[in-house]
Amino acid sequence: EDQVTQSPEALRLQEGESSSLNCSYTVSGLRGLFWYRQDPGKGPEFLFTLYSAGEEKEKERLKATLTKKESFLHITAPKPEDSATYLCAPRGYNKLIFGAGTRLAVHP
Amino acid sequence: KAGVTQTPRYLIKTRGQQVTLSCSPISGHRSVSWYQQTPGQGLQFLFEYFSETQRNKGNFPGRFSGRQFSNSRSEMNVSTLELGDSALYLCASSLEQSTDTQYFGPGTRLTVL
Repeated sequence: EDQVTQSPEALRLQEGESSSLNCSYTVSGLRGLFWYRQDPGKGPEFLFTLYSAGEEKEKERLKATLTKKESFLHITAPKPEDSATYLCAPRGYNKLIFGAGTRLAVHP
Repeated sequence: KAGVTQTPRYLIKTRGQQVTLSCSPISGHRSVSWYQQTPGQGLQFLFEYFSETQRNKGNFPGRFSGRQFSNSRSEMNVSTLELGDSALYLCASSLEQSTDTQYFGPGTRLTVL
């Protein structure tokens, strides 16, 4: 059965304090892994797509990496505006499978 | 380019009623997927439409149905509403391939009383 686990569930950082979010997955026929950011009451906002192990993508303070069993979202020197829930979603044969997300709070 | 739009944004219904939600994809996108998001279950896949045909379906009862029109706009319908159907319903559009990036709309918040 396809499974996605994100850790930690919640993370509190001080502004400037770098950290990493983890997404572990067991998905048959992986066809890409997607990262989204979601603010309260809004739809998920696309961040990255990774298709093969070893691939890395960067955008501002965020960097996503992919292995055969995990993906990491590294946040470097975060700012309060990076506070949100971060969702990872591997794509199996016929659908995106979303993890429960990591709620990130960045305090000044 | 305009993003995915969903209407209405908020809806209050009572048990037993039915509801129809609408989604307009990004211009040029031909695939539309629907998701249900609740605090307990997270984001769960409902179904995906491409070229007016249901391409994939999640594990939801038959009370949940959808359709897609020739202009790629999509609707989803929930009949005989239950309290547990209260959720944020999200629509996402993508170009064509199942592996293309999905872009989400703002969602419709459905409350069932």
